[in-house]
Amino acid sequence: NAGVTQTPKFQVLKTGQSMTLQCAQDMNHNSMYWYRQDPGMGLRLIYYSASEGTTDKGEVPNGYNVSRLNKREFSLRLESAAPSQTSVYFCASRFQDFSNQPQHFGDGTRLSIL
Amino acid sequence: SQQGEEDPQALSIQEGENATMNCSYKTSINNLQWYRQNSGRGLVHLILIRSNEREKHSGRLRVTLDTSKKSSSLLITASRAADTASYFCATDKGAQKLVFGQGTRLTINP
Repeated sequence: NAGVTQTPKFQVLKTGQSMTLQCAQDMNHNSMYWYRQDPGMGLRLIYYSASEGTTDKGEVPNGYNVSRLNKREFSLRLESAAPSQTSVYFCASRFQDFSNQPQHFGDGTRLSIL
Repeated sequence: SQQGEEDPQALSIQEGENATMNCSYKTSINNLQWYRQNSGRGLVHLILIRSNEREKHSGRLRVTLDTSKKSSSLLITASRAADTASYFCATDKGAQKLVFGQGTRLTINP
């Protein structure tokens, strides 16, 4: 049982390049989330998908887009990377919102923008 | 903006001692959750306490919640080297958003 799997684990980009971060969960969860973690800032929500077919903005959505490809997969896309997007990105899932359930996290993608 | 604020930001203790971390928040919540993050890894859920609960135990972990003071504490008893990690509280208002604090870095010295 892999839980939440994120790819790639590390990536270095040049300013202006684009890339997609992939996330997949095998726990049959309905809700999925993308966070970024910066030193001293804790985790901040970028986008979330409460259920398959829906996506909504979180606290820091600018510069990002998401796609809920199916129930298992939720991708995060940087269209034109900027140095301010250097961060560690975490994907999480949980059974469903409003459920008093914990979130399950992947091990993160460490992204550097030069 | 951050809902949860952990205190202290860093804590260093000897193996075998107890570690206490505190979390304060600003608005009403459905539940409060504690997570652990080992270096270079994702967050791992430790314990969830609902707003109508005052105390909860899980192994060596004890969590308290005081909704009148909008605060929670995490106690780790008989600490071990493997407890070295960052610990985050997260408040859940039930509407998608799980809002995390900045974390407490715990170091257990042998």
